Amino acid sequence: GAVVSQHPSRVICKSGTSVKIECRSLDFQATTMFWYRQFPKQSLMLMATSNEGSKATYEQGVEKDKFLINHASLTLSTLTVTSAHPEDSSFYICSARSDRANEQFFGPGTRLTVL
Amino acid sequence: QQQVKQSPQSLIVQKGGIPIINCAYENTAFDYFPWYQQFPGKGPALLIAIRPDVSEKKEGRFTISFNKSAKQFSLHIMDSQPGDSATYFCAANQAGTALIFGKGTTLSVSS
Repeated sequence: GAVVSQHPSRVICKSGTSVKIECRSLDFQATTMFWYRQFPKQSLMLMATSNEGSKATYEQGVEKDKFLINHASLTLSTLTVTSAHPEDSSFYICSARSDRANEQFFGPGTRLTVL
Repeated sequence: QQQVKQSPQSLIVQKGGIPIINCAYENTAFDYFPWYQQFPGKGPALLIAIRPDVSEKKEGRFTISFNKSAKQFSLHIMDSQPGDSATYFCAANQAGTALIFGKGTTLSVSS
């Protein structure tokens, strides 16, 4: 149990385009999901906290208009990178916190490359 | 963000050795301390976690030691194997909040 999926696993896009990444909790409900970004050989940096049915809470320095988060159901959160640029290239990882326990389960990550 | 300080940055041990990774935290409100294992190109996977009401927890070859007064916790890997070579992250949070991660330790187990 406690499986989190992400789609796509890898995406390459041109500068200026928008990319949507989906995060799904497959066998549990998650009122809260988190989005992290990880650069090579670095730790996970929290970008935003996503709550079902309400606006996301963004960490300091994260542009909310650039990284749009929607949490439309108890099992799905999406991150849209708008007008992507090469500096947005990174590994994006979501996690979902089980409503039944204070445990976070991570997705497999999405590798975004902006040309 | 509240910090979680992790050391060492990298670690090399021989097969069968016992690598130890240490973490220290600042926020006394933290009540959940997990360790994650991450392989290149993959998301982190929960390895083992502890809460502050116990001082030690074992799961298979992995042991967490927790020192509440010192605000420190550590991961011990018994009988380490080459397959354990990965990056390990400690983390901490207070119920309802996001996990705060340490900077990671790259472990290499030589055969």
